[in-house]
Amino acid sequence: KAGVTQTPRYLIKTRGQQVTLSCSPISGHRSVSWYQQTPGQGLQFLFEYFSETQRNKGNFPGRFSGRQFSNSRSEMNVSTLELGDSALYLCASSLQTASNEKLFFGSGTQLSVL
Amino acid sequence: AQSVAQPEDQVKVAEGNPLTVKCTYSVSGNPYLFWYVQYPNRGLQFLLKYITGDNLVKGSYGFEAEFNKSQTSFHLKKPSALVSDSALYFCAVRGGNQGGKLIFGQGTELSVKP
Repeated sequence: KAGVTQTPRYLIKTRGQQVTLSCSPISGHRSVSWYQQTPGQGLQFLFEYFSETQRNKGNFPGRFSGRQFSNSRSEMNVSTLELGDSALYLCASSLQTASNEKLFFGSGTQLSVL
Repeated sequence: AQSVAQPEDQVKVAEGNPLTVKCTYSVSGNPYLFWYVQYPNRGLQFLLKYITGDNLVKGSYGFEAEFNKSQTSFHLKKPSALVSDSALYFCAVRGGNQGGKLIFGQGTELSVKP
């Protein structure tokens, strides 16, 4: 069974641009969540989607948004990029949204904002 | 508010020696606790979780963790370290109806020397 797939693997953008990252969960998984990883802030929760509905949202500005499609694939979008948005963006999937479930992570998209 | 603390940024051990990576948590209600490992340029891999039951939890690659409610700790342990265990280790907590939202510690870099 294929794991969580994130594309692209690397992205370079300039300030003010926008970017869309894609995540394909493990087959059969209906929950997708996104995390931002930076050396200074560590791993921070962005949002979670289940059955095309946002279930949870972290403390990020409105420039960060996401969505989930009927096939459970998810995208996150960052508009008006800032230098501080440079980070590794990780997507994770699970079967449901139960608190005792483990998450399966993708390898991430490394975003560099110049 | 939920939180996780990993008091050591780095842990160094010699191959063959036992290792401990420390984690303390703060959560209202019953905690769901997890350990993940991250190898360079990779996403996070699940090691083990505590939901309820035995305080000693066994996980992947010979790792185990001890849940201590009175000390609000969930330390990761391994009886005999391998060089290949060198990686970044994250403790995470989820409480209540938090679904996919994991609160991560800052991470501990484990270095195992031959």
